[in-house]
Amino acid sequence: DTGVSQDPRHKITKRGQNVTFRCDPISEHNRLYWYRQTLGQGPEFLTYFQNEAQLEKSRLLSDRFSAERPKGSFSTLEIQRTEQGDSAMYLCASNQPGQGWETQYFGPGTRLLVL
Amino acid sequence: DQQVKQNSPSLSVQEGRISILNCDYTNSMFDYFLWYKKYPAEGPTFLISISSIKDKNEDGRFTVFLNKSAKHLSLHIVPSQPGDSAVYFCAASARTSYDKVIFGPGTSLSVIP
Repeated sequence: DTGVSQDPRHKITKRGQNVTFRCDPISEHNRLYWYRQTLGQGPEFLTYFQNEAQLEKSRLLSDRFSAERPKGSFSTLEIQRTEQGDSAMYLCASNQPGQGWETQYFGPGTRLLVL
Repeated sequence: DQQVKQNSPSLSVQEGRISILNCDYTNSMFDYFLWYKKYPAEGPTFLISISSIKDKNEDGRFTVFLNKSAKHLSLHIVPSQPGDSAVYFCAASARTSYDKVIFGPGTSLSVIP
């Protein structure tokens, strides 16, 4: 088991462009979470999936953001018409109910810079 | 409206001494509290947790104390080791939504050899 992986690790884009990030959870985990972390802050919850179902979305997830997990395995987070305020670290985590819900395993994150 | 606060952005401790990291929360619905540790270029890793039915939980060198009346918790690391140097996040959640974990801003701990 290689842990949670995220791709790309870094992304620089110009304002107004669309970006997509990918997260591959630990293989047997059916819950997948997305967080955003800005400088000097802790991770902020964005959304989570159980299998392919998106169960909760934060108010932080504006209509420019969309997350999918089509086959209940990997997930993508797309940001449309990026703004400078979207610059942040985007973290993905996964876990398996029954292991202890608190044990969310985080990936290394994708750092986004919007110019 | 920061619900989980860590008022010390950084802390320096001598190797072998005790490190005490503090955390305050405002939401009385929180009943589960966690500490995560984060090294540079890595995601946070779960360290220790405590339920509101307890006031102390210990795991090796790490002990978390909870004072519900003061809405305060602390993480004690004894003895501190250089490898403990990292950013520590306090986090909390409520039984109504355990999957929605609220993180504090973090405290950067430096353990000086």
